[in-house]
Amino acid sequence: AQSVTQLGSHVSVSEGALVLLRCNYSSSVPPYLFWYVQYPNQGLQLLLKYTSAATLVKGINGFEAEFKKSETSFHLTKPSAHMSDAAEYFCAVSTFGNEKLTFGTGTRLTIIP
Amino acid sequence: DAGVIQSPRHEVTEMGQEVTLRCKPISGHNSLFWYRQTMMRGLELLIYFNNNVPIDDSGMPEDRFSAKMPNASFSTLKIQPSEPRDSAVYFCASRRGGGETQYFGPGTRLLVL
Repeated sequence: AQSVTQLGSHVSVSEGALVLLRCNYSSSVPPYLFWYVQYPNQGLQLLLKYTSAATLVKGINGFEAEFKKSETSFHLTKPSAHMSDAAEYFCAVSTFGNEKLTFGTGTRLTIIP
Repeated sequence: DAGVIQSPRHEVTEMGQEVTLRCKPISGHNSLFWYRQTMMRGLELLIYFNNNVPIDDSGMPEDRFSAKMPNASFSTLKIQPSEPRDSAVYFCASRRGGGETQYFGPGTRLLVL
């Protein structure tokens, strides 16, 4: 079985401040991990993914995430928030041979001017 | 390259009516997924297909829901009869064979009155 927990359904940061969105996973086998972003009234767009290569993964729009097996975490960060980063962010997990993606409940990111 | 295409983007219907949602996956992708997104339940996988064959429909809520994939470039999700609790955003996603990443369409926003 696999699952994802996103801590904090709402996160607010000031423009220019560090963005940190938390994701912890549970998986009985090595996981594939994903971050998706959803802008209002749009579909989900892939930000980045971890598939057992480098543990620090860089994605689009300046985001990155680090896979930490010991902590079962895959937190999403961005050094300096922009107004355009306001959206909902979803962490998801799957595994090799398991075609289902299991999503977290999402974190809504608000940027304060 | 066109992404996943869904139609209609918005649908308003009355309780009891039949609703058909359509999806065209990315060319060359052989897996297709239908999701439902609501505030209460988040993102739920309804059903997925591999090579046009339904593999897992355990997420389909009840017999009122049905999905077909008559060929590699087209899938439908049908609700008959529709009920107000079916109001949600329905997403289609596709994935190429052997890949890990699902690519999402823009969604269909369904409102059942």
